[in-house]
Amino acid sequence: NAGVTQTPKFQVLKTGQSMTLQCAQDMNHNSMYWYRQDPGMGLRLIYYSASEGTTDKGEVPNGYNVSRLNKREFSLRLESAAPSQTSVYFCASRQGEGTYEQYFGPGTRLTVT
Amino acid sequence: LAKTTQPISMDSYEGQEVNITCSHNNIATNDYITWYQQFPSQGPRFIIQGYKTKVTNEVASLFIPADRKSSTLSLPRVSLSDTAVYYCLVTTGFQKLVFGTGTRLLVSP
Repeated sequence: NAGVTQTPKFQVLKTGQSMTLQCAQDMNHNSMYWYRQDPGMGLRLIYYSASEGTTDKGEVPNGYNVSRLNKREFSLRLESAAPSQTSVYFCASRQGEGTYEQYFGPGTRLTVT
Repeated sequence: LAKTTQPISMDSYEGQEVNITCSHNNIATNDYITWYQQFPSQGPRFIIQGYKTKVTNEVASLFIPADRKSSTLSLPRVSLSDTAVYYCLVTTGFQKLVFGTGTRLLVSP
């Protein structure tokens, strides 16, 4: 099993450009999450999907949209990138009820100039 | 969501036991306590979760007193590879993991 995979690993955007961060998990998990982590800070939840077909806002959703394409894939889209969105983005998945164990991907390092 | 407070940093030496205490005074009845570990340039990794008393797994122990207003993560005989940031989280339901700034543990030879 690859676990949680994310693409791309690195990305540089100019202000106003758009892009989609891809995330996939092969553990048949129900829930998936997108976080961002700024330097020296903890992770902040952007959006999550409790199950296939549902998505909900987290702590910092402004400027982002998500799509739960199927049970495996959960994408994060930046429609018009801003320098404040420079961060490391982590995708995670969780089996479901009964555990708070989330499995995290390797992250995407995004720089917006 | 219950707010957590933990030390910003801790230092230790190889072979010692490390105890990291987290305060969560307004923890709710249904909240669980969860600890994650994060190495530089990696996503966090789940260590342990508990509700009350003591939980032990192959890497750590979690001690939770009866009032549940604090918890202590215990790492036995740390090695250099345990140098990382450790996050204490209090969670209700599956979606609301709130990561604070964590505790930076530095293990020296």
